[in-house]
Amino acid sequence: DTAVSQTPKYLVTQMGNDKSIKCEQNLGHDTMYWYKQDSKKFLKIMFSYNNKELIINETVPNRFSPKSPDKAHLNLHINSLELGDSAVYFCASSATLKDGFINYGYTFGSGTRLTVV
Amino acid sequence: QKEVEQNSGPLSVPEGAIASLNCTYSDRGSQSFFWYRQYSGKSPELIMFIYSNGDKEDGRFTAQLNKASQYVSLLIRDSQPSDSATYLCAVRNRYSGGYQKVTFGIGTKLQVIP
Repeated sequence: DTAVSQTPKYLVTQMGNDKSIKCEQNLGHDTMYWYKQDSKKFLKIMFSYNNKELIINETVPNRFSPKSPDKAHLNLHINSLELGDSAVYFCASSATLKDGFINYGYTFGSGTRLTVV
Repeated sequence: QKEVEQNSGPLSVPEGAIASLNCTYSDRGSQSFFWYRQYSGKSPELIMFIYSNGDKEDGRFTAQLNKASQYVSLLIRDSQPSDSATYLCAVRNRYSGGYQKVTFGIGTKLQVIP
């Protein structure tokens, strides 16, 4: 199946721990994203990679570190987890989001619900 | 001013009626516009995109864009209970280095009453 796959689906962890979320897409897209959806359901971009290059890095604490080993994979590592990090984290992919390129929107992964206790 | 504004709702419409969802955006240079549907506990899924002023129809869905008024809307005809979801408006803007960014609105929760 062509898709954006995210693991794990649920993550419950204690404050101060370090955790990682993994994302893979087989759609042939060259751009991948991490979005955070908080309790108010607001979907906010965190990072974007194009062909392994970081192109968007919004105001995110440096405890969050993305890594893209190749254009089909994007991981998110979070150090020293805090209660406020609890949210649903969505990975997404798309064709190039650049001037002169038509973009037909994102395909989202199923999300990782992170709960910090 | 938020980049993309939507009324969070809920918007309640009876089954069979037309649901009208609205969105305004602040950046006049915005280039393209998307509507996503998100069921509770699920990920957003793209239902329509529009680039040019006017209407774009796809089945029961019509997207309308007015760049002069910085306004985009989604009409759902013959609303069904299965249309009950949150509808997210998303806008593509220039970022930097020739790249662009998509910003989402808060979403409007639609309830279709049988």
